[in-house]
Amino acid sequence: EIVMTQSPATLSVSPGERATLSCRASQSVSSNLAWYQQKPGQAPRLLIYGASTRATGIPARFNGSGSGTEFTLTISSLQSEDFAVYYCQQYNNWPLTFGGGTKVEIK
Amino acid sequence: EVQLVESGGGLVKPGGSLRLSCAASGFTFSSYSMNWVRQAPGKGLEWVSSISSSSSYIYYADSVKGRFTISRDNAKNSLYLQMNSLRAEDTAVYYCARNLDSSGWYFFGYWGQGTLVTVSS
Repeated sequence: EIVMTQSPATLSVSPGERATLSCRASQSVSSNLAWYQQKPGQAPRLLIYGASTRATGIPARFNGSGSGTEFTLTISSLQSEDFAVYYCQQYNNWPLTFGGGTKVEIK
Repeated sequence: EVQLVESGGGLVKPGGSLRLSCAASGFTFSSYSMNWVRQAPGKGLEWVSSISSSSSYIYYADSVKGRFTISRDNAKNSLYLQMNSLRAEDTAVYYCARNLDSSGWYFFGYWGQGTLVTVSS
């Protein structure tokens, strides 16, 4: 099983600042990596797939990068609606696995 | 508009059974692989099971293998999860999720609102 490790667990950021979230895979997943955003009481929302392709309707301030085992989600200028929990997911191998999540909170 | 509506959650005793359903609309259900993902209270996301569009390919997490059965009825635009031998650690919100596209890659472009399953005596 591929273990996905996200860091940090919590990120405190001021509105307008940049946030950088990391996701590491225990073995290569190529570019088969997705990012999701989840707000309290809501279902997750797909942000990024293929490591760097934004899903439909996702603002340009969300950028994904990386391949192999190291991935990054960057939110260039945090808006109030971006404070949430973010998960990465690999879909290169079965079983599908998620990272433990990074909570982005208001500083 | 894609809509996924789960139902069937509730309170069940350890060792009991429950059947979850997911009613799909707004897209050609038979063209897409479908999935169940769960989230224990206050915890992260855990993939549970996936089924291909024609039910030819089925996958399970080790944690549910042999206890849960995923199925679909393309004529009824519905996805199911039969859960047997339930344990306390199965307590979670269960989400129905659709693959984003028909590429064959299993990541989740659409999600339902979830249904809560509580396993407790």
